[in-house]
Amino acid sequence: DGGITQSPKYLFRKEGQNVTLSCEQNLNHDAMYWYRQDPGQGLRLIYYSQIVNDFQKGDIAEGYSVSREKKESFPLTVTSAQKNPTAFYLCASLMGGISEAFFGQGTRLTVV
Amino acid sequence: GQQVMQIPQYQHVQEGEDFTTYCNSSTTLSNIQWYKQRPGGHPVFLIQLVKSGEVKKQKRLTFQFGEAKKNSSLHITATQTTDVGTYFCAGEETSGSRLTFGEGTQLTVNP
Repeated sequence: DGGITQSPKYLFRKEGQNVTLSCEQNLNHDAMYWYRQDPGQGLRLIYYSQIVNDFQKGDIAEGYSVSREKKESFPLTVTSAQKNPTAFYLCASLMGGISEAFFGQGTRLTVV
Repeated sequence: GQQVMQIPQYQHVQEGEDFTTYCNSSTTLSNIQWYKQRPGGHPVFLIQLVKSGEVKKQKRLTFQFGEAKKNSSLHITATQTTDVGTYFCAGEETSGSRLTFGEGTQLTVNP
């Protein structure tokens, strides 16, 4: 089945630790995105990548890092520099051009 | 940078009432997309509008794209409890540019 997979679904992190969220797609999509969603809030763009080995900062990139070494994969690292990392993180992919975004199931990160 | 604003933030209706959410962009868009996110779920694509003044219907849902391609609306006729969720609009300034989401409208439907 084609799709986009995020793992893990739930993640707990101790304050001060870095953590990496996985996002993999087998849809052969060029573009991949990371959004953050806080309770009752909209989707805020963290980073996006429109092609392998290239990515751009979104609106709230501070405290986050990404890599795009493979077309299928776009991992997000939440660093200790992120002041308030507890949130729901959503990864999406799209073909590029005018096309719909497909979302993963999301990762709910809690800092303890 | 591009901003996409959505109103209202929350809407509570009785089952059977109509519902409308509005989306406005600070810049002209190449296309507008609408997504629905059920409670606890992830956003799911509903529709895409590309042409100026375009209107599309999906059963009880009607989507419009403004003549200036800067605003859009989603109207639901005779809401049902299955319509509960958050509705997001999302736009691209140019084809293939970053996809920016509005803040969403959270709809609750009282049976």
